Amino acid sequence: DTAVSQTPKYLVTQMGNDKSIKCEQNLGHDTMYWYKQDSKKFLKIMFSYNNKELIINETVPNRFSPKSPDKAHLNLHINSLELGDSAVYFCASSPDRTGVVEKLFFGSGTQLSVL
Amino acid sequence: QKEVEQNSGPLSVPEGAIASLNCTYSDRGSQSFFWYRQYSGKSPELIMFIYSNGDKEDGRFTAQLNKASQYVSLLIRDSQPSDSATYLCAVRGGNNRLAFGKGNQVVVIP
Repeated sequence: DTAVSQTPKYLVTQMGNDKSIKCEQNLGHDTMYWYKQDSKKFLKIMFSYNNKELIINETVPNRFSPKSPDKAHLNLHINSLELGDSAVYFCASSPDRTGVVEKLFFGSGTQLSVL
Repeated sequence: QKEVEQNSGPLSVPEGAIASLNCTYSDRGSQSFFWYRQYSGKSPELIMFIYSNGDKEDGRFTAQLNKASQYVSLLIRDSQPSDSATYLCAVRGGNNRLAFGKGNQVVVIP
């Protein structure tokens, strides 16, 4: 009965590779997010989708491309991985039908290590 | 100036004492304020939210908001070892985006 699930939990890869992280929520929420948490624990938003529509696209390299096939899924594809991409990536969802972000429900995170 | 700032450095408190965490924010149009707790290696979880000036209590947690001074605080009464975690302040600004502070680590010493 996991609310927000993301896979994989750990991802170790070489520089230059392309990788994807998948996220699914079974809460019926309209909005999903990708956050990046760096080694200093700073949590920063990357993207937000509301009902499959991109609504927030922060200053993120073009190598990062989110895809939302439906409102329950938000995947993150990363091309040409770099050392600086190493971080924990959290998927989250929110029941903000009005467009007002409130409580976030986080997935368990994906620890990405680029070697 | 960062959108949301939290005091740096871990906070060590003896078991049973009060832990006090502060957070300031830069956007005067901010509407909602949240405290998330994050255990090491785990995801953040919401423990408190507050919208209006004043205090809001929930069990051993009290959130305090002062919009004029642009700060929000979290008090943890009767601190327990299970409260040892990083506490993240989050603010929903006028742009409807949720901005997080870098967090405060709390260590409760038995």
